[in-house]
Amino acid sequence: SQKIEQNSEALNIQEGKTATLTCNYTNYSPAYLQWYRQDPGRGPVFLLLIRENEKEKRKERLKVTFDTTLKQSLFHITASQPADSATYLCALDTGGGFKTIFGAGTRLFVKA
Amino acid sequence: GAVVSQHPSWVICKSGTSVKIECRSLDFQATTMFWYRQFPKQSLMLMATSNEGSKATYEQGVEKDKFLINHASLTLSTLTVTSAHPEDSSFYICSASKLAESSYEQYFGPGTRLTVT
Repeated sequence: SQKIEQNSEALNIQEGKTATLTCNYTNYSPAYLQWYRQDPGRGPVFLLLIRENEKEKRKERLKVTFDTTLKQSLFHITASQPADSATYLCALDTGGGFKTIFGAGTRLFVKA
Repeated sequence: GAVVSQHPSWVICKSGTSVKIECRSLDFQATTMFWYRQFPKQSLMLMATSNEGSKATYEQGVEKDKFLINHASLTLSTLTVTSAHPEDSSFYICSASKLAESSYEQYFGPGTRLTVT
């Protein structure tokens, strides 16, 4: 069956460290993968999109990798700050941009 | 930018009544909009895909007669929860799809918290 799994329900790290979140999927062949941030009681906010032919993408303190052989994406936040505390969702395109399937999310807590 | 609004942001209604939620793309045209629901600490569950000028495509297990979707224009989609029951209480989120560099990015509304008493 098709599945998207994010490594852990919650991740606690110290301010200044790098947070690494994992997204694994099975039985999908996505053309691209996206990462979103969601704060409590709010809709998700788009962060980064990485295509199947891209290995890595960066945006400010964010870095995403995409390994289609391992069927895995890693999401890194460097020099993390308490303001980075939120739930991070990975999402797969299932073809043509007409349907996006979301993982359950990882709640990140950055402690000052 | 790519801004999507939802109205209302929260609503409380009595069991048996109907509630309409609006989703608007404010600064771009969206041929496709999506409706999701989200329970506490769970992921977004896609309910339906809404295309302008045509009938919505519902996901398996979502009752189309209960969750009426209308996509009247390229900037407006509405979700009506008919004969609402307490189990329909949830966080409903819409998104609008925008083409960017040969791939589609989704922009989400702020969500609508529905409580059915």
